[in-house]
Amino acid sequence: AQKITQTQPGMFVQEKEAVTLDCTYDTSDQSYGLFWYKQPSSGEMIFLIYQGSYDEQNATEGRYSLNFQKARKSANLVISASQLGDSAMYFCAMRGGTDKLIFGTGTRLQVFP
Amino acid sequence: DAGVIQSPRHEVTEMGQEVTLRCKPISGHNSLFWYRQTMMRGLELLIYFNNNVPIDDSGMPEDRFSAKMPNASFSTLKIQPSEPRDSAVYFCASSSAIRLARADTQYFGPGTRLTVL
Repeated sequence: AQKITQTQPGMFVQEKEAVTLDCTYDTSDQSYGLFWYKQPSSGEMIFLIYQGSYDEQNATEGRYSLNFQKARKSANLVISASQLGDSAMYFCAMRGGTDKLIFGTGTRLQVFP
Repeated sequence: DAGVIQSPRHEVTEMGQEVTLRCKPISGHNSLFWYRQTMMRGLELLIYFNNNVPIDDSGMPEDRFSAKMPNASFSTLKIQPSEPRDSAVYFCASSSAIRLARADTQYFGPGTRLTVL
């Protein structure tokens, strides 16, 4: 069975600092995709970044990067130079041998001035 | 480009009433997903379609829930009769279903916040 674990229910970071949000996954699939989504207080789910299991390089999208460690089954999101607008819930998700996207429980990030 | 469109954005109804939620996926996407989000259960996949055909409805909670996709640009999720425990945010998402590529990213609509009194 596939599973996503996010062990940090909440994180605080000061503006302009970097922050790492943890995500570990469990799957028996050889091919899979990992995703991070942001959900601000307004409620929409915003796609941030994607990492394929066979991608050799860590994915980057602007200030977002994904620290992919396949052997450890971890896919941590790194946000550099945090901004107040980064305050939100962040969800890690995985899609494996089926079309289903399995989500973690989320981490609430609060950025303070 | 328009994203996934959902309507209504908010719905308040009384127990026993029929509720219909609507979704227009991103043009060109051939997979459509309905999710429900609650504090207790997080994000749950209810049903998904591929090329307008329901593929997996194992997440549909019970017979009161039904979903249709009559064409590539429209889907509905219906609850009849509605109950207070159905109160949640319902999201529709679409993807181009190119397996295990960035293109298979699911893009979400803004959600419908349903309150059943």
